[in-house]
Amino acid sequence: QVHLVQSGTEVKKPGASVKVSCKASGYSFTSFGISWVRQAPGQGLEWMGWISPYYGKTNYSQNFQGRVSMTTDTSTSTAYMELGSLRSDDTAVYYCTRHSDFWSASRGYFDFWGQGTLVTVSS
Amino acid sequence: QSVLTQPPSVSGTPGQRVTISCSGSTSNIGINYVYWYQQVPGTAPKLLIYRNNQWPSGVPDRFSGSKSGTSASLAISGLRAEDEADYYCAAWDDSLSGNWVFGGGTKLTVL
Repeated sequence: QVHLVQSGTEVKKPGASVKVSCKASGYSFTSFGISWVRQAPGQGLEWMGWISPYYGKTNYSQNFQGRVSMTTDTSTSTAYMELGSLRSDDTAVYYCTRHSDFWSASRGYFDFWGQGTLVTVSS
Repeated sequence: QSVLTQPPSVSGTPGQRVTISCSGSTSNIGINYVYWYQQVPGTAPKLLIYRNNQWPSGVPDRFSGSKSGTSASLAISGLRAEDEADYYCAAWDDSLSGNWVFGGGTKLTVL
């Protein structure tokens, strides 16, 4: 069965960066994309971007352009999301999701989700 | 403010049928598929409906999705206590450089 296991809770100071990992198992890692979605406390869901482990293409949300970087390591079936210049309003649970299409972010959908990683930004 | 509009809350009694609406525009729901996710508080969202009205494996057919124009709906029939959760609609939005957008979420309370 499909599993996405994320790294643990992070506490960061404003201006710092955070890197969250997401290890996939139970499927062919390069046959699907990975999207990252975050959820601030008590709030809704917000898409951050998508990456294709197959050919490395990324598609970032305009809201995070210039601050986010998504990468994958196909040798370990692990995806990474790094967010820089952290602010207090970046405090949220960050989810990696399997994206059913590896070719384009606009196709497919989020069919399996990781357990989430809480990132707290506080001075 | 979310790009897709959902009612903040709905409620129903066990066995009842409830619907949750999701309103969008010509750049998202009007031309792209709609997806629905269920999130029990404290857990990750789970795919409930894909491509407007399709069920992933394991999702009971008590849940059904529909789409008309720039709006979509999720219907839950035979309401059960374990259906109490937050529900989100999502769609790809073709405006600007493209973006996945979500509704603000609807809290379903089973009375």
